[in-house]
Amino acid sequence: DTGVSQNPRHKITKRGQNVTFRCDPISEHNRLYWYRQTLGQGPEFLTYFQNEAQLEKSRLLSDRFSAERPKGSFSTLEIQRTEQGDSAMYLCASPLGRSSYNEQFFGPGTRLTVL
Amino acid sequence: RKEVEQDPGPFNVPEGATVAFNCTYSNSASQSFFWYRQDCRKEPKLLMSVYSSGNEDGRFTAQLNRASQYISLLIRDSKLSDSATYLCVVNRDGGSQGNLIFGKGTKLSVKP
Repeated sequence: DTGVSQNPRHKITKRGQNVTFRCDPISEHNRLYWYRQTLGQGPEFLTYFQNEAQLEKSRLLSDRFSAERPKGSFSTLEIQRTEQGDSAMYLCASPLGRSSYNEQFFGPGTRLTVL
Repeated sequence: RKEVEQDPGPFNVPEGATVAFNCTYSNSASQSFFWYRQDCRKEPKLLMSVYSSGNEDGRFTAQLNRASQYISLLIRDSKLSDSATYLCVVNRDGGSQGNLIFGKGTKLSVKP
């Protein structure tokens, strides 16, 4: 158990609906990352927070995606007007300690299926 | 050229075999390198970081060649429990806070 938790673990939704995922990172660590993984691919970076500031966003993060990290603790990732192409595993990651090597530890992920 | 490229696999080996995975990366500014292991429908888990001098952890040995931008992972005396997908991972930039770039992974199946 890495100490990173994600909810829900599974989400099935109909195309066009909005969904929101939550990540609770390792406590007291200021960096938090979101990745997306589709079948047969490695995880792909979506966005990164340092405390409450969203410092970087991937081109994969279209206008329908928004992420927040109020108060620099848990984070949410919202997808509006879901499309079938959004079906994927959404992973949250947090560094374990303050190592400059940037080992990242992943939560169990939220598996999204858009029908 | 993709940022991180791995052997496509799959690798099917008998128990006790030695298996080697290779990986190349395109960004010469990358400073941090890792191997992650991912079981089916689970999250990636850090197997080992890869240091410039090479490092070993039990049956696992990782090597880094910065000049060739090449990373390897060697598994000796493979076990059934080693069956998984192995992901080669590189820190995108030279800083310590950049996001990780993952290869597509190489699937390993260890058979009795």
